[in-house]
Parts: sequence; structure tokens; C-alpha cells
Amino acid sequence: DTGVSQNPRHKITKRGQNVTFRCDPISEHNRLYWYRQTLGQGPEFLTYFQNEAQLEKSRLLSDRFSAERPKGSFSTLEIQRTEQGDSAMYLCASSLTGAQHFGDGTRLSIL
Amino acid sequence: GENVEQHPSTLSVQEGDSAVIKCTYSDSASNYFPWYKQELGKGPQLIIDIRSNVGEKKDQRIAVTLNKTAKHFSLHITETQPEDSAVYFCAASEDTGGFKTIFGAGTRLFVKA
Repeated sequence: DTGVSQNPRHKITKRGQNVTFRCDPISEHNRLYWYRQTLGQGPEFLTYFQNEAQLEKSRLLSDRFSAERPKGSFSTLEIQRTEQGDSAMYLCASSLTGAQHFGDGTRLSIL
Repeated sequence: GENVEQHPSTLSVQEGDSAVIKCTYSDSASNYFPWYKQELGKGPQLIIDIRSNVGEKKDQRIAVTLNKTAKHFSLHITETQPEDSAVYFCAASEDTGGFKTIFGAGTRLFVKA
């Protein structure tokens, strides 16, 4: 079990730039989730995939955010025209049935 | 909307003492309640979970209780050790696969040696 892998671990970018994060779930897991976590808070649900289908999106996911899981394996989360408020830890999790297993996240800092 | 409230936000105990963290949820459809431990710079790690058809579950020093009528669930850690120091999150969801999981705001646990 190699666990959920997220890359990069840290991303520093200037306001207005686009960023893309990658998540590699546990190989046999068909469900994949993206969360955002800010300091002192619990993870907030962003979106959910079952295989390649994106089944739910939070209202937190503005038009600047897009997520894909093209082959039902890895997933990418893209943020366009980043804003100061996008600074957070972006967590990915995967599951088969039962518990979600989290990666160690990508910390995004907007200058 | 759905909400999970978690208390206390900070908890400090002496090594060997017990620690209790309490959560309440608002969505009556919730039927799966995981607990996560998060250490600095790491993602949340599942430590125990409970489903709505069970009132209590125990795994070594960790136990979780669920009162579906009152929409309360609690985490109990006995014989605490310094390595238990971390942030703990409760969560609630409608499906055992998690689907849309709502997390509490977390409890920072300090275990003093």
C-alpha cells in the first residue's frame, strides 16, 4: 500500500497565476475526493469522483477551480487566476468502500 | 446546511489520563462517523470509525460512542501518551464511502509527560 500521493507538496505563486496539483490515489480505489483546509479548521469538501465521473461539486468550487480524473486513476485540480484567499492546504483522499485515506496535501501560498 | 460541531477546541491532559472529544451533527441522514488524527505537515489519518447501526466501538486505547437520537458522538482515548498529541477531527457522512463528508473544526490535544 503506497498510500495517496500528492504533488507538489508546496507551491508558491504570484496572485493571478494558474496552478495545477496532482493526486495519485491508492490504486484499487475508485472514489477520489478533493478538500481544502485552512489553518485551524477541518477539511472542507470540494469535489468527488467515482471512477472518471465527477459526481458532486461544492459551492466552494468557484468557476476558477476545475478538477479532472480522465482515466479514473490520478486526478488534477487546477486553480486559474489565483487569489490571496486561495492560500490553503489542498488535500486529496481516496476510498473503495468505507474510510477515506488522505494524502499529505499540497500547501499553496499566494504572494 | 449540514454542520458538525466539535468540542473542546483545545484539550490538555496529563500522560496516563483519559481524553474525551465530543461532536454533534445536524444531518439526520448521516450514517458513518470517522475520526481522524492529523500531525503537523501531514494529512489526516483515520484512527477509528463507527456506523449508525452500532452504538460503541473500541480499538485498544481508543473508543467511539454514538447516540443517533441525540446526534452526538464522542472519542475516548484512555491511558494517553505524549505521541497522542495531535489535532483530532470528527466527521459525518451519509455513505460508508464518505461521499460528502463534513468535518468538525478539530481538537488540539496536548498530552503532558
